[in-house]
Amino acid sequence: EVQLVESGGGLVQPGGSLRLSCAASGFTFSSHAMHWVRQAPGKGLEYVSAIIANGVSTFYANSVKGRFSISRDNSKNTLYLQMGSLRSEDMAVYYCASGDGTNRGPQSWGQGTLVTVSS
Amino acid sequence: DVVMTQSPLSLPVTLGQPASISCRSSQSLVHSDGNTNLNWFQQRPGQSPRRLIYKVSNRDSGVPDRFSGSGSGTDFTLQINRVEAEDVGVYYCMQATHWPYTFGQGTKLEIK
Repeated sequence: EVQLVESGGGLVQPGGSLRLSCAASGFTFSSHAMHWVRQAPGKGLEYVSAIIANGVSTFYANSVKGRFSISRDNSKNTLYLQMGSLRSEDMAVYYCASGDGTNRGPQSWGQGTLVTVSS
Repeated sequence: DVVMTQSPLSLPVTLGQPASISCRSSQSLVHSDGNTNLNWFQQRPGQSPRRLIYKVSNRDSGVPDRFSGSGSGTDFTLQINRVEAEDVGVYYCMQATHWPYTFGQGTKLEIK
């Protein structure tokens, strides 16, 4: 069974930084693209970032480009999202999601971790 | 960015009746590899999203066969035959052909 467990969320001041982690199990992590998707309180889903299986290529939404960095450690089955220059509009639940190894986009999702940006 | 437009945004349905959600994209979702990467997700209250349908019409494992997807190019539909109480939640379409991937606004399905 695929399990994705996010951690690292919390309260951060505007302009601050935070690193999210996602521990994966139940599948061959190194063979799957991984994704971060966020959901602001009471709002819809917004794609944030993606990284291919070997980590060579990464993709970012325009709203976070230059401020966020996605990475992965295939030896630790862990996905990361380094977030910097945080703004109030970055406040959201951040979901880690795995691809299915064949089709584009996320398939399985974690439970999410809440990032609160406030002074 | 590709804009995904869902309708309706609110969908009250009587138990046992069918439901249909439309999703339109601002440009064709046919990838250069020939695939159309249009996915549907369900988010029940208080839960994480769950993929129901991938590449327009393929149901994920464990998804009841009352859910079906159809469409092509820029126009897509999610249909639910005989809505059940457990189907309450928000449904999102998502395109994974053009980066950045984008979601529709979501359609909230509720029981009348």
